[in-house]
Amino acid sequence: DGGITQSPKYLFRKEGQNVTLSCEQNLNHDAMYWYRQDPGQGLRLIYYSQIVNDFQKGDIAEGYSVSREKKESFPLTVTSAQKNPTAFYLCASSILGAINSGANVLTFGAGSRLTVL
Amino acid sequence: QKEVEQNSGPLSVPEGAIASLNCTYSDRGSQSFFWYRQYSGKSPELIMFIYSNGDKEDGRFTAQLNKASQYVSLLIRDSQPSDSATYLCAVSGGSTLGRLYFGRGTQLTVWP
Repeated sequence: DGGITQSPKYLFRKEGQNVTLSCEQNLNHDAMYWYRQDPGQGLRLIYYSQIVNDFQKGDIAEGYSVSREKKESFPLTVTSAQKNPTAFYLCASSILGAINSGANVLTFGAGSRLTVL
Repeated sequence: QKEVEQNSGPLSVPEGAIASLNCTYSDRGSQSFFWYRQYSGKSPELIMFIYSNGDKEDGRFTAQLNKASQYVSLLIRDSQPSDSATYLCAVSGGSTLGRLYFGRGTQLTVWP
């Protein structure tokens, strides 16, 4: 089955540690995204990538880093510089196409819940 | 900063009623509009998208778009307890393909 796989589902981090969240898709989608969701909040974009070896900052990129070495993979590292990393992290992907088409529909992974101890 | 506003709710309706969810957006350049449903602790799943003014129907769901008023809504007919979830409105971000801006969501409860 095609889809997006995020791992781990739950992750605990100590103060000062970097952690990496994995995101893999087998949908052959061009673009991939990382969103953060806090309780009672909408989704806020951290980083996105439209093509391999290229990515752009979203609205809340500080304290995070990404790479896009393969089309299928878009890992997110939460660094110690991120002061409040406890949140639900969602990876998504989409086909890129004309604005007025269904090509830009986001498909989400199951999410990774990060808690700082 | 592109704003997407939704009534935070919670919205509570009886089973069989029509639930009406509203969303306004600030960027007149937005062209695609999406409704996602999110169950507690789960990831969002697409209900439908719309990009032309007017109504778009899919089963019990109808999306309505009015670009002049910068308003998009979702109607759920014959609401079921299984429709109880948070509904997220998302709006395309101008020239960047795939870039969406999300509202905070409206929590809907359908009681038997």
